[in-house]
Amino acid sequence: GAVVSQHPSRVICKSGTSVKIECRSLDFQATTMFWYRQFPKKSLMLMATSNEGSKATYEQGVEKDKFLINHASLTLSTLTVTSAHPEDSSFYICSAFLAGGPDTQYFGPGTRLTVL
Amino acid sequence: LAKTTQPISMDSYEGQEVNITCSHNNIATNDYITWYQQFPSQGPRFIIQGYKTKVTNEVASLFIPADRKSSTLSLPRVSLSDTAVYYCLVVLNQAGTALIFGKGTTLSVSS
Repeated sequence: GAVVSQHPSRVICKSGTSVKIECRSLDFQATTMFWYRQFPKKSLMLMATSNEGSKATYEQGVEKDKFLINHASLTLSTLTVTSAHPEDSSFYICSAFLAGGPDTQYFGPGTRLTVL
Repeated sequence: LAKTTQPISMDSYEGQEVNITCSHNNIATNDYITWYQQFPSQGPRFIIQGYKTKVTNEVASLFIPADRKSSTLSLPRVSLSDTAVYYCLVVLNQAGTALIFGKGTTLSVSS
């Protein structure tokens, strides 16, 4: 089956630093990937749509200058949380769209970000 | 996007069949019904997807009535490891459409 990986699985950083999270589709090419964040005991919230070779589309209320998304290849999208603050602490999950069915997406295992 | 409504939580015991119903009154003609499972600190996992009538795979069954305004996910003989959050989503049949998650149903299975 289709596999999506994320790296790192968890990261702890100091306030003010930037953190990069990688999302890879391991055995398929994904022209479209999505980034979500999830707070404890809450549902997933879509942050942005990442399209290979073009600018990401951000959801309303998501700061594009704070959450930088780059989708430089068909198997890799990165999310950089710039100048992270404690309120950015969350569980970040990516998904990759695999063509072949009525919109089947495969999710990565998530990245737990803790900002001190 | 069609809004979905499902119970916030459900409790069950091992070996029982669990049915989780989801309402989606505003489902459109080109929408599919998809269910995902999520364990704590993990990404969601695809369970099953259907358009109408009944779909069955090795994990679950999905029942969709003719009007498609609701659907029921059926988990046969649940075990402790089925304790998770289950999300019902209505997905537009269009390539690359983002998934919008509702609150989901927290299923707790006890021994």
